Amino acid sequence: QVQLVQSGAEVKKPGASVKVSCKASGYAFTGYFIHWVRQAPGQGLEWMGRINPNTGGSNSAQKFQGRVTMTRDTSISTAYMELSRLRSDDTAVYYCAREPSEPGTTSLIDYWGQGTLVTVSS
Amino acid sequence: EIVLTQSPGTLSLSPGERATLSCRASQSVSSSYLAWYQQKPGQAPRLLIYGASRRATGIPDRFSGSGSGTDFTLTIARLEPEDFAVYYCQQYGSSPLFGGGTKIEI
Repeated sequence: QVQLVQSGAEVKKPGASVKVSCKASGYAFTGYFIHWVRQAPGQGLEWMGRINPNTGGSNSAQKFQGRVTMTRDTSISTAYMELSRLRSDDTAVYYCAREPSEPGTTSLIDYWGQGTLVTVSS
Repeated sequence: EIVLTQSPGTLSLSPGERATLSCRASQSVSSSYLAWYQQKPGQAPRLLIYGASRRATGIPDRFSGSGSGTDFTLTIARLEPEDFAVYYCQQYGSSPLFGGGTKIEI
């Protein structure tokens, strides 16, 4: 079955960077885009960006451009999201998620990771 | 930039009742690229509806979606205890965006 397993919780100081991993299993990793979505405590969902695991190409929401880097390692079916210059309002649960491969489903999400809590505090 | 507005913010209902949730876009959503997700506390969201009205795999038929253009609706025909959760609409496609959510509480 499809599984996305994320790395554990992180605590970071303002100005630092965080790198979250997302290990995929149960499907062909390079055949499906991976998205990153975050959720601040008690708030809604915010789309950050996506990566094509086959090519490594990525695009992100304008809000995060210049601060977010999405990469992947196809040898271990793992995607990564690194967010730099952290601020207190970056405190959130960060989810990786999979996009279906069918036509007409760009940026739809069918499977989600369990989430990784990133806390930014001095 | 498109904005998705969900209403109401909170819906107070009892099991067995019908729930009607609204998602309104500030501009037309192309090709009905509108999805609905359910999220329970401490869990990741779950896809319910895509293409405005197509149920995802394994979703009970008490969940239905409708609408086009700028106005979309998620209807839960008869609420089960496990349906009390937060629901988000999403415009997908080239510029994905989520609505602010509607909480269904007992």
